[in-house]
Amino acid sequence: EVQLLESGGGLVQPGGSLRLSCAASGFTFSDHYMDWVRQAPRKGLEWVGRIRKKTNDYTTEYAASVKGRFSISRDDSRNSMSLQMNNLKTEDTAVYYCVRVFNGGSQWHLDLWGRGALVTVSS
Amino acid sequence: DIQMTQSPSTLSAFVGDRVSITCRASQSITTSLAWYQQKPGKAPKVLISKASSLQSGVPSRFSGSGSGTEFTLTINSLQPDDFASYYCQQYSSYPVTFGQGTRLEIK
Repeated sequence: EVQLLESGGGLVQPGGSLRLSCAASGFTFSDHYMDWVRQAPRKGLEWVGRIRKKTNDYTTEYAASVKGRFSISRDDSRNSMSLQMNNLKTEDTAVYYCVRVFNGGSQWHLDLWGRGALVTVSS
Repeated sequence: DIQMTQSPSTLSAFVGDRVSITCRASQSITTSLAWYQQKPGKAPKVLISKASSLQSGVPSRFSGSGSGTEFTLTINSLQPDDFASYYCQQYSSYPVTFGQGTRLEIK
């Protein structure tokens, strides 16, 4: 089955760290850019960041709100991606989605989403 | 950053109605726009990419149009399953940005 499965969510204090993982199955993970997108409670979608594939040197992009605090990595041998979150703030509380990027020439949409992992930052 | 502004924020309609949601970009994004549908407690699902390209499996009552800075998602003959939230997203440049969302409610 083609799917993405996040893990590692939970409750963390402000200033703390947390690492989310995403396990991919059912498709050739190494062929795709991968994103993290988050959604705060009762709010809209916010793009967090992207990691490109090997042919693009695994380079990354981040939203300004997380740049310098969050880091995305991937392990193609394990079909997995991670989001390391440091110096967490209460405003980082959200459901975090692992997302596959479809690249078909001029179409660059997010075509496969995980179920999401809830991260709560609170004292 | 490119700001994406959706309108309306909330839309009430009857089953069978035709509705439109507008998305405006703060600068030209040509046709680098996707639309997503999200139901409560679920992950979003892509409906349209490249402003007007209907994705596989999406009913033909959904359509997208526009280019540059103004885009429209139209749903013809609303079905009960269509009542959800809708988001536009630009992928013209980094950072990728979403509109704030439109909640489509049953009247």
